[in-house]
Amino acid sequence: GAVVSQHPSRVICKSGTSVKIECRSLDFQATTMFWYRQFPKKSLMLMATSNEGSKATYEQGVEKDKFLINHASLTLSTLTVTSAHPEDSSFYICSATGWETLAKNIQYFGAGTRLSVL
Amino acid sequence: AQTVTQSQPEMSVQEAETVTLSCTYDTSESDYYLFWYKQPPSRQMILVIRQEAYKQQNATENRFSVNFQKAAKSFSLKISDSQLGDAAMYFCAYRSPNTGNQFYFGTGTSLTVIP
Repeated sequence: GAVVSQHPSRVICKSGTSVKIECRSLDFQATTMFWYRQFPKKSLMLMATSNEGSKATYEQGVEKDKFLINHASLTLSTLTVTSAHPEDSSFYICSATGWETLAKNIQYFGAGTRLSVL
Repeated sequence: AQTVTQSQPEMSVQEAETVTLSCTYDTSESDYYLFWYKQPPSRQMILVIRQEAYKQQNATENRFSVNFQKAAKSFSLKISDSQLGDAAMYFCAYRSPNTGNQFYFGTGTSLTVIP
């Protein structure tokens, strides 16, 4: 299957700082990328959908000014958690899909980023 | 929005035995895709199997197979010859062709494999 790389896998930061998480599709062009948040032993909660070259679409209740998403190329999307607070501590997962046969109609996931805000 | 229901929060199976995980969904669409993903303790989501709704034949991937009942809106996953490495959270997912590739996930089933 297709490969999606997510970096960093773990980050610890101080309250009030910003953190950037990268999501890359390594062997296909990701026309759409998704960002999820997952709480312990819970399902994935979709935060936003980003299409290459356009603004991200945020789900209801997700603050777009706090969770900045950029999808500037067909292989890279970034999620920046701005002015992070302890309540933002969570597991964040990205996924990607594309038009190529390899990735069509399927979401391939990154390995996730565990964010801990002190 | 479509809803996906996994009614079994936890399941267990003896090693080498067979287990079936259930999934039902609610939709008014006729064409869609269904998936089972596995999330082991590493938390990497791994695609296990997928099914296109227009195909009547049930999908099979080695020890994993599905029982797709379109009229009943049911999509169960059967794991045969269970192995210790099958222990994980399993998520059922629905993809609509009308919502820009968005997936709708169930709440997950935690599978324990007993040696």
